[in-house]
Amino acid sequence: DTAVSQTPKYLVTQMGNDKSIKCEQNLGHDTMYWYKQDSKKFLKIMFSYNNKELIINETVPNRFSPKSPDKAHLNLHINSLELGDSAVYFCASTLLGDRRETQYFGPGTRLLVL
Amino acid sequence: KNEVEQSPQNLTAQEGEFITINCSYSVGISALHWLQQHPGGGIVSLFMLSSGKKKHGRLIATINIQEKHSSLHITASHPRDSAVYICAVRSSETSGSRLTFGEGTQLTVNP
Repeated sequence: DTAVSQTPKYLVTQMGNDKSIKCEQNLGHDTMYWYKQDSKKFLKIMFSYNNKELIINETVPNRFSPKSPDKAHLNLHINSLELGDSAVYFCASTLLGDRRETQYFGPGTRLLVL
Repeated sequence: KNEVEQSPQNLTAQEGEFITINCSYSVGISALHWLQQHPGGGIVSLFMLSSGKKKHGRLIATINIQEKHSSLHITASHPRDSAVYICAVRSSETSGSRLTFGEGTQLTVNP
């Protein structure tokens, strides 16, 4: 069984469109993250939710809106897509307070905005 | 300047060689992670360290908290070790268990 899954894996879309990426974890974790990996392979945190509450919100355009319907899901909605949004988006989860606090990553969603 | 610096950025080795990747950070941390990103893009957590040394198979990770430095060693390297290795720190100065990442080290092991 996949621990952290993301859909879709690939997303090609036009500038100006609105799109969503979904993330689900079946590990019983209470904290989930969205990371963006740019063309230079540099990972940067965007958002984090703990028990459905937003706990990290980096300097990300308002066009990006995360939504956590429950602890197992963290979705990312992007409005008015721009060329610079092209990147790989990774979801991850962890159990805060766990001694190891290992973060488990999803397979990534490769977004290409044309 | 990034809070987490890795060296080298690129590393090419011959199969069997001993490999070292270094990570230096400038903030107080509660933990340091080493991650591996496969050529296909998937990211796997290798180690989480808060002190000392950990070993898993041919991989060894060490951390020196006073010097704010960590190393990842690979013994008897193999072509399947080819990947990007990423150092990430969990800052003790911010909340939420966020990770700050280094830029990664691209390792290529030739047969």
